[in-house]
Amino acid sequence: SAVISQKPSRDICQRGTSLTIQCQVDSQVTMMFWYRQQPGQSLTLIATANQGSEATYESGFVIDKFPISRPNLTFSTLTVSNMSPEDSSIYLCSAVTGTSGNEQFFGPGTRLTVL
Amino acid sequence: SQKIEQNSEALNIQEGKTATLTCNYTNYSPAYLQWYRQDPGRGPVFLLLIRENEKEKRKERLKVTFDTTLKQSLFHITASQPADSATYLCAAGNFNKFYFGSGTKLNVKP
Repeated sequence: SAVISQKPSRDICQRGTSLTIQCQVDSQVTMMFWYRQQPGQSLTLIATANQGSEATYESGFVIDKFPISRPNLTFSTLTVSNMSPEDSSIYLCSAVTGTSGNEQFFGPGTRLTVL
Repeated sequence: SQKIEQNSEALNIQEGKTATLTCNYTNYSPAYLQWYRQDPGRGPVFLLLIRENEKEKRKERLKVTFDTTLKQSLFHITASQPADSATYLCAAGNFNKFYFGSGTKLNVKP
């Protein structure tokens, strides 16, 4: 199993600024992901964070807006750049250990409000 | 694009009854289906995984089925308890990439 922490747990930001969210796992994991969840909505996959290389983004998400780093097997960051009110959401980090199809372990999420 | 659909209406049942939640997928052929529980203000917690070559999986009071013909998964909670009240998410995926439904809220009344 894996325990995931995220920082910050919540933040209120001004339009046009950027926020970096940190995700720390207590053990080495094979894959890490970033999701966005609007209240009452499904989790939308933003990207797969690849260790030592550029993240793989889903359709509708671009690196300039959501730069992601994954310097090692236990840590990743997601930056929400040049924020607008439409970026207000919960951002969740997840990790998979072991082989394909395994369960994802999720962090508690970061609640972002953009004014 | 792939679509994962769950009943958006809340499911209200009496304690002790069996809750059945539905997940349908379109434009997609997942190798796995997963079910998660999400409580307010928290990240999802994994419950069960079923592979495309499996018809049914059980874990304690939980049972999940996978019908590739109907493109549907059913999730059952038997002998439901008020503590089972939460939002349940279905996720369909291949390898380690999963797409989530919007979830169904379950309310179990004492």
